[in-house]
Amino acid sequence: AQRVTQPEKLLSVFKGAPVELKCNYSYSGSPELFWYVQYSRQRLQLLLRHISRESIKGFTADLNKGETSFHLKKPFAQEEDSAMYYCALKCNRLAFGKGNQVVVIP
Amino acid sequence: DAMVIQNPRYQVTQFGKPVTLSCSQTLNHNVMYWYQQKSSQAPKLLFHYYDKDFNNEADTPDNFQSRRPNTSFCFLDIRSPGLGDAAMYLCATSRDRQGMETQYFGPGTRLLVL
Repeated sequence: AQRVTQPEKLLSVFKGAPVELKCNYSYSGSPELFWYVQYSRQRLQLLLRHISRESIKGFTADLNKGETSFHLKKPFAQEEDSAMYYCALKCNRLAFGKGNQVVVIP
Repeated sequence: DAMVIQNPRYQVTQFGKPVTLSCSQTLNHNVMYWYQQKSSQAPKLLFHYYDKDFNNEADTPDNFQSRRPNTSFCFLDIRSPGLGDAAMYLCATSRDRQGMETQYFGPGTRLLVL
């Protein structure tokens, strides 16, 4: 069965500190993974996808098939990064994790 | 410009009283999705329409139904809401199934069951 695990519900970091959101998955096929973000009072939206291997708003995520992980990282957190972050796995649908609430402390 | 619109934003219904949630889109996308999200939980896919083709998830209760009368509109019908159906309901669209990872979400409708 496909499963996405985000172990930490809430992550508080100081502005300028690194932030890492963990995501692990289980999937028997070739995985395609994504990060979605929801800022306060805004809609859920796609942040980045592993295929593109790009940095979006300073965030990067590397797919590690050996560890079945797709952790989201940013070296220097900004206040505007405070949001809810969801890891998602594309199977025959999008399977979302439970999400991480990130709070960046000024 | 709003691309995926959900009405109402908040809906209060009574236990057992049928309720309909609405979603419309201006993107002309082929696929429309309905998710249920309970507090501190992942969004859970209930079903989706690919054009007029309805696709139900295996674990979606029969209490939940959907209609898509045209490309722009999709409705979620809860025939007999129970207390456990109180949740945020999210509508989303994607251009097609192959591009399902790029979904455009509406703001959601929060359903309260009294």
